[in-house]
Order: sequence, then structure tokens, then C-alpha cells
Amino acid sequence: DAKTTQPTSMDCAEGRAANLPCNHSTISGNEYVYWYRQIHSQGPQYIIHGLKNNETNEMASLIITEDRKSSTLILPHATLRDTAVYYCIVRGHLRGSNYKLTFGKGTLLTVNP
Amino acid sequence: GAVVSQHPSWVICKSGTSVKIECRSLDFQATTMFWYRQFPKQSLMLMATSNEGSKATYEQGVEKDKFLINHASLTLSTLTVTSAHPEDSSFYICSAPSRGNNEQFFGPGTRLTVL
Repeated sequence: DAKTTQPTSMDCAEGRAANLPCNHSTISGNEYVYWYRQIHSQGPQYIIHGLKNNETNEMASLIITEDRKSSTLILPHATLRDTAVYYCIVRGHLRGSNYKLTFGKGTLLTVNP
Repeated sequence: GAVVSQHPSWVICKSGTSVKIECRSLDFQATTMFWYRQFPKQSLMLMATSNEGSKATYEQGVEKDKFLINHASLTLSTLTVTSAHPEDSSFYICSAPSRGNNEQFFGPGTRLTVL
């Protein structure tokens, strides 16, 4: 799976949009971009994933550049409960052990009141 | 979404004892489950892939005789830390992929403290 690079930490004001960047310049054509987050002392939570088109769900939006070498996770109206470590993961959709996820260090997003 | 549970949520044991952690998929079947370990202020590290009805696949550097994995049914995988030592103290998390493999569902984690 391709490697990803994320900023170590970011701050965001409550109610404002949080934009979390991720670089994945070595991504291959069949690899998807996944985002998970982990609130302190809890298991990770799936947020969103995409291949090349922008995606939106009830939690967030995912913007993938045309060359697919980077992406941005957008939380439109951040709340204090969104404070967490956000992981950007690139992974193919193959069977068996390739279901597994490889976590990097992620970005610690702190939402301030 | 689907739910994965873990039991216990935390455990404290003496050095040299064995500890069993259970991971259950509550409303779906999982032929594959994953076990991760997370040390303080570090990321999740995959330990092994648990396969229903067959042997687990361990990541490089993980001792299979120390971390015993059993996946006896489509909804239950267990991780047994044998002869636990203080350096095994960590946050253990399991996960299971959704049926369509679009996402993975993670358990809440088990905090193991070995005295």
C-alpha cells in the first residue's frame, strides 16, 4: 500500500470548517483513499473513502486532486467532539490479507471553543 | 453501522499470567478479523490477521506462540497474551471488515496492564 504523509497536528475553531490534508504521491490506480479517526482511548472510526471522485457523507467530505497524489478531508462545522487523531490510509480493494489497514501517525486535530 | 465488541475493556494482571481478550462481531459475520496493538502516543500496529477456521497470519516480529489467536466462529476471535510481562502492557484493538469491504469496524479496545 502507498505511503501517506500528514501534518502532525492542526487546530480549528469550533463551528469552523476543518481541512485536513494528506499526501499520497505514490498511490496506484487501484488504490482507494480512506479516512479514519480515533478519539482518545477508543477504537478507530471509519469516516469516508474514495477512489478519484469527491465524496460526501453525513460526517465529512473528501476532495481528491485530479492526479490523485493528495486529498483533503473536510469537516464542515467542527465541534469539540471532533477532536481526535485523523488517519489517511491508502489501500487496494483486494481479498484476504489485503483487507488490512496500515496506520501512519495521523493528524491530531484539536477543536478549540 | 455494524458493531464490534471487545471484552474485557480493561484488565490488570500479574507478570507471568495469561490474559484472554475476546472480539465479537455483534450483527454480522466476519471470516477475517484483525488484531492491533497501540502503545501510548503511538499509532496502531497490526499484529495479526485472524482467519475463521484456519491459522492466523502474524506480522513480522510478532511472536505467534506468545500471542495466541483463535477464530472459532464467524463472530468471535480471541487473542491470548501468554506469560504476560510489563512490556506487553498496551491497548489492544480488534477490527472486522464490512461485508462489502468498504470499511472496517473497530472494537472499543482493551487496556492491558501487566504488573
